[in-house]
Amino acid sequence: NAGVTQTPKFQVLKTGQSMTLQCAQDMNHEYMSWYRQDPGMGLRLIHYSVGAGITDQGEVPNGYNVSRSTTEDFPLRLLSAAPSQTSVYFCASSYSYTGTDTQYFGPGTRLTVL
Amino acid sequence: RKEVEQDPGPFNVPEGATVAFNCTYSNSASQSFFWYRQDCRKEPKLLMSVYSSGNEDGRFTAQLNRASQYISLLIRDSKLSDSATYLCVVFRADRGSTLGRLYFGRGTQLTVWP
Repeated sequence: NAGVTQTPKFQVLKTGQSMTLQCAQDMNHEYMSWYRQDPGMGLRLIHYSVGAGITDQGEVPNGYNVSRSTTEDFPLRLLSAAPSQTSVYFCASSYSYTGTDTQYFGPGTRLTVL
Repeated sequence: RKEVEQDPGPFNVPEGATVAFNCTYSNSASQSFFWYRQDCRKEPKLLMSVYSSGNEDGRFTAQLNRASQYISLLIRDSKLSDSATYLCVVFRADRGSTLGRLYFGRGTQLTVWP
């Protein structure tokens, strides 16, 4: 049981490049989400999904796209990278999303945009 | 006003000390409350949920005061391994729904020295 996995661990992009951050979980969790963490700030929700085929925007969705074609996978796409997207990105999953379930986080992807 | 505000920290305490962290939340409709722990350059992990009656897990005690919208975490007999950042987290459902989202405080850094 690997839990939540993320790839890559580190990435450097140039402004304007696009890329996909991968996230997978093997716990059969319905709820998955993406956060970014910046120095001096709490984790901020980018996008989330309550099940395969269902996604919605969080607090800071601009510049990011998501899709959820399977229960296991929830990739995050950066459409045209900007220096403001330099951050640590965490994927998380939980059994449901009624506020009582533990959120399991992946190890994070450290992204630098030059 | 931020949804969740925490003590600015950092806290530097000797082994064996008792240390307390405070947190306030701005929305009275918040429903569930948690403390997460985040080690340096790692992902957040659930430390404990916080219940209205207060709850204890070994050396850790969490308290919730709904009237004051205040959450606390007390660590007794601090260990070197307690050094980490402690995140105050609040869940609030969307109006008319059981679905909602987590709101994270910025975190309070704790260093326990020998």
